[in-house]
Amino acid sequence: DAMVIQNPRYQVTQFGKPVTLSCSQTLNHNVMYWYQQKSSQAPKLLFHYYDKDFNNEADTPDNFQSRRPNTSFCFLDIRSPGLGDAAMYLCATSREGHTQYFGPGTRLTVL
Amino acid sequence: GQNIDQPTEMTATEGAIVQINCTYQTSGFNGLFWYQQHAGEAPTFLSYNVLDGLEEKGRFSSFLSRSKGYSYLLLKELQMKDSASYLCAVGSGTYKYIFGTGTRLKVLA
Repeated sequence: DAMVIQNPRYQVTQFGKPVTLSCSQTLNHNVMYWYQQKSSQAPKLLFHYYDKDFNNEADTPDNFQSRRPNTSFCFLDIRSPGLGDAAMYLCATSREGHTQYFGPGTRLTVL
Repeated sequence: GQNIDQPTEMTATEGAIVQINCTYQTSGFNGLFWYQQHAGEAPTFLSYNVLDGLEEKGRFSSFLSRSKGYSYLLLKELQMKDSASYLCAVGSGTYKYIFGTGTRLKVLA
């Protein structure tokens, strides 16, 4: 089945210790997104890639970076995680600007 | 500003019908999406409206009025497994989606 895969599902890191979350897709969609979702809140778009073009949201902290080495993979790097970065991180894909399909998410805990 | 409003919580009985409303104010509009999200899981796509009117898909229907900035999701023949959060999202520009905070639906036996 075509799908969006995120690894790991659960990630624990220490305050200030860099962490990388990964997302892969077999849908061959050209757009990939990263969202941050905190408990009982709306998913918040951090950035998206249209093909290789990176688009950062204006209010995304510099602490968050992303890489997309090819169509299938996209990474979220958090350079110096703070306690406030503990959240669910959702990867999504779409073909052009149509329906988004989400991966299962990575729940990040910062100690 | 950009804003999406949904009720925070709703409760309904198994077998009943429930309507979840969503109002929006966004700078652009490329369509309105409804997603279902079970606790601790990712959102899954339910429906999409870009033109005014009703879209029906099995037990789920979604309605859109662009002039009123209004949509609703109608769930019929409620089942216990429908207990989840329902997120309204608007496509608001090029590859930009604004999500509401979701409506937590509890289905009681």
